[in-house]
Amino acid sequence: DSGVTQTPKHLITATGQRVTLRCSPRSGDLSVYWYQQSLDQGLQFLIQYYNGEERAKGNILERFSAQQFPDLHSELNLSSLELGDSALYFCASSVPNEKLFFGSGTQLSVL
Amino acid sequence: GENVEQHPSTLSVQEGDSAVIKCTYSDSASNYFPWYKQELGKGPQLIIDIRSNVGEKKDQRIAVTLNKTAKHFSLHITETQPEDSAVYFCAASRGKGQNFVFGPGTRLSVLP
Repeated sequence: DSGVTQTPKHLITATGQRVTLRCSPRSGDLSVYWYQQSLDQGLQFLIQYYNGEERAKGNILERFSAQQFPDLHSELNLSSLELGDSALYFCASSVPNEKLFFGSGTQLSVL
Repeated sequence: GENVEQHPSTLSVQEGDSAVIKCTYSDSASNYFPWYKQELGKGPQLIIDIRSNVGEKKDQRIAVTLNKTAKHFSLHITETQPEDSAVYFCAASRGKGQNFVFGPGTRLSVLP
C-alpha cells in the first residue's frame, strides 16, 4: 500500500458528462501529481500541485481542471467527456521526500 | 524540457536469465532517477531509485547504474522470475518538488 488513496476505483459515464476524481496524498506529502494512462500507453503527465498551488502543467486538455485543497487532497475534474478520455487516471504524491508514490488509479470508461 | 527515452519496448527472457532496460535523458539538471514496476490493473510501484551523486545501487536482484556523462541509466534484474513480468518505467526529475518525466515503458515477459 503506497499510502495514496484514489476514489472511485471505477467510473462509467456517458459522453458529454462531467466527473470528479479524488486523491488523498500520503500523510505529510505536499505535492500531488495527476497522470493519464490510456490502454497500453505510457504515463502522460497532466498537472502538479504543491501545497495548494499549481506547480507544473503538462498535456492537460482545457476540458480538464484540477485543484488542491487546504487539507492537501486533490480533485481532477473532467468535463464534456469524449470516448477518447477513457483511461486510467493516476494520482501520485511526493515532497518533502522526493520519492513519488502512486495510487491505484481510477479507471474511467466513457460510453 | 526533459525527454526520456527507454529501450527496448518489449523484452522476453527465460526464467533465471538477466534482463536489462536502458533509459536516456536530455536534461543535465535532472538528478533523481527512479524505476517503477506496473502490474496489470495496478498503479506503478517504486522499485529502486538512484541520485546523480551515485553510480550504482543494488537491492537484492535489482540494480540500477547511472552514467551522468552519457546521460543514461539502466535497470538490471538478475535471476528473473515469472513474477517479474510487468511493465517497467524509468523516470527523471530535477529533485524535490519538481516534475517527473517518464519513459514510454518496457513490457518484460519472463518465460517459465
